[in-house]
Amino acid sequence: QKEVEQDPGPLSVPEGAIVSLNCTYSNSAFQYFMWYRQYSRKGPELLMYTYSSGNKEDGRFTAQVDKSSKYISLFIRDSQPSDSATYLCAMTYQAGTALIFGKGTTLSVSS
Amino acid sequence: DGGITQSPKYLFRKEGQNVTLSCEQNLNHDAMYWYRQDPGQGLRLIYYSQIVNDFQKGDIAEGYSVSREKKESFPLTVTSAQKNPTAFYLCASSIAQLPYEQYFGPGTRLTVT
Repeated sequence: QKEVEQDPGPLSVPEGAIVSLNCTYSNSAFQYFMWYRQYSRKGPELLMYTYSSGNKEDGRFTAQVDKSSKYISLFIRDSQPSDSATYLCAMTYQAGTALIFGKGTTLSVSS
Repeated sequence: DGGITQSPKYLFRKEGQNVTLSCEQNLNHDAMYWYRQDPGQGLRLIYYSQIVNDFQKGDIAEGYSVSREKKESFPLTVTSAQKNPTAFYLCASSIAQLPYEQYFGPGTRLTVT
């Protein structure tokens, strides 16, 4: 079993839809969870950061962590064509160690 | 403006040649990282460094080498021993304390023929 699993998609939705992106993980020591957005041929940019369990909201984006289920989610409300990108989940458990990434989910939002 | 720069954006080399990818940051971050991204593979860690003059191998270090002589710089050399060097290479940096968020450069696309 891989440490982090993420459905690669592609996921296609109409503009205005609510999008749910998910990752599961196997290492219960993970404490710090991040979501990155990557446009084609660009470096990933940090979208959301969450520590331990709970929800965090930033504009149209909500990150959710359920440590008991080893499951994290990113919700995008009122999706826009500009949200079309690959979304990568990432996590780690201590300072100075590298992030463990999911393979990314490709999202396409049509107008 | 603070950030991470990688150069060049595109790089072409002949098989058997070593090539060095540049990564510079002015964020005053202690830790720096190199990842390789292939289609459908996600990001895989090559090397990382938490402090000057020290670095650790990641999951796929074979065929690569790095140096960390300055805090701001973490160059990656792709050697001729790397079997499949054609890929998108990403450099990242972070502080060594919470919250450990990593910030990425724009990437270098290396093509070896």
